[in-house]
Amino acid sequence: DQQVKQNSPSLSVQEGRISILNCDYTNSMFDYFLWYKKYPAEGPTFLISISSIKDKNEDGRFTVFLNKSAKHLSLHIVPSQPGDSAVYFCAASGGFGNEKLTFGTGTRLTIIP
Amino acid sequence: DADVTQTPRNRITKTGKRIMLECSQTKGHDRMYWYRQDPGLGLRLIYYSFDVKDINKGEISDGYSVSRQAQAKFSLSLESAIPNQTALYFCATSERGWYGYTFGSGTRLTVV
Repeated sequence: DQQVKQNSPSLSVQEGRISILNCDYTNSMFDYFLWYKKYPAEGPTFLISISSIKDKNEDGRFTVFLNKSAKHLSLHIVPSQPGDSAVYFCAASGGFGNEKLTFGTGTRLTIIP
Repeated sequence: DADVTQTPRNRITKTGKRIMLECSQTKGHDRMYWYRQDPGLGLRLIYYSFDVKDINKGEISDGYSVSRQAQAKFSLSLESAIPNQTALYFCATSERGWYGYTFGSGTRLTVV
């Protein structure tokens, strides 16, 4: 049973435009949500996170939005750059007592120059 | 030196062989994890350890075992490797799960 889902396996976006990556979850006990970025032959690296008490968190070109009622989060990248081409995983954690991360299946983002 | 080091980086082994993947970290964190990545399935948790005396099964622990030799070392063993254990394996460490993990560069394992 996939508790964290990324329904788009791939996404292509023109350089300079906005990239929007989506993620849905089913477990209402999740309290923290994170996005990871992965390049080939490297481990995933932490990108940005949000707790369930917020609905938006920004860090430079990256913004994560959380809609708790819809159990949906999204990552916006503006403007998209060629170096953003990677696989993006969303992940969720239940907080104290359930700290391990549950990952989604990943979305491969390709930025077209 | 990398914060999380995995050895070997690549390994080809035969069905039925026992194999160990090693992980060491210099972050000083208590929590360590083993995940495997398969195409279309994302990252799935195999085992995790919140301190040296604490070992827990993840969602896909069958066919695997682990050893936490020290705070900094967490090894994953395949007792009798089978072809569907061919995957990319990642070790990670964290201070708290929601603070984010630091991953190693992965071990690509092929079982033939």
